Amino acid sequence: AQSVSQHNHHVILSEAASLELGCNYSYGGTVNLFWYVQYPGQHLQLLLKYFSGDPLVKGIKGFEAEFIKSKFSFNLRKPSVQWSDTAEYFCAVNVGNAGNMLTFGGGTRLMVKP
Amino acid sequence: DAGVTQSPTHLIKTRGQHVTLRCSPISGHKSVSWYQQVLGQGPQFIFQYYEKEERGRGNFPDRFSARQFPNYSSELNVNALLLGDSALYLCASRGTPSSWEQYFGPGTRLTVT
Repeated sequence: AQSVSQHNHHVILSEAASLELGCNYSYGGTVNLFWYVQYPGQHLQLLLKYFSGDPLVKGIKGFEAEFIKSKFSFNLRKPSVQWSDTAEYFCAVNVGNAGNMLTFGGGTRLMVKP
Repeated sequence: DAGVTQSPTHLIKTRGQHVTLRCSPISGHKSVSWYQQVLGQGPQFIFQYYEKEERGRGNFPDRFSARQFPNYSSELNVNALLLGDSALYLCASRGTPSSWEQYFGPGTRLTVT
């Protein structure tokens, strides 16, 4: 079965700092990759997704992620974080082209200090 | 447009009791999935339903069951509650089972004492 690992459980940054959150998955076949965000008191929301094509994908609010197949990674980046980016971030994968289920990582809690 | 709605918001139950959680998908969405999110962990897939049929099941015991109604709303039932069932239960809806984007509800916070 596939699994997803997020190496950073807690990250604290100052505003304007750059962000990179790691995500690795274990599955050798075709995968669809996602990053979700959960702002305090709000629902899980989709930040960005990768299905195929350009491995560098751009999402909402200035986030981007790069799919590196050889490393089984899908790291999330943002050049300059804002206080409003304080949230929990989840990497998720589903296998093949079936929308059957998402396997989530354990999440990374990001705190941005003003 | 109304998003995914779930009820109740919070629930406290005692070990051994039974609980029913409810979910209404976005209007027009026919597929509903259930996830369990234990504090400090990512969501774990429990079930997916489409057109009232189970289309997927995660690694959860038979104490967990679900169903989907003709109006596409869904119920998640958990019998013989254990302390470890305490979690946020999330419902997500999508248009069809193969649709890539699913929309999550606010969740039901279940506490088992």
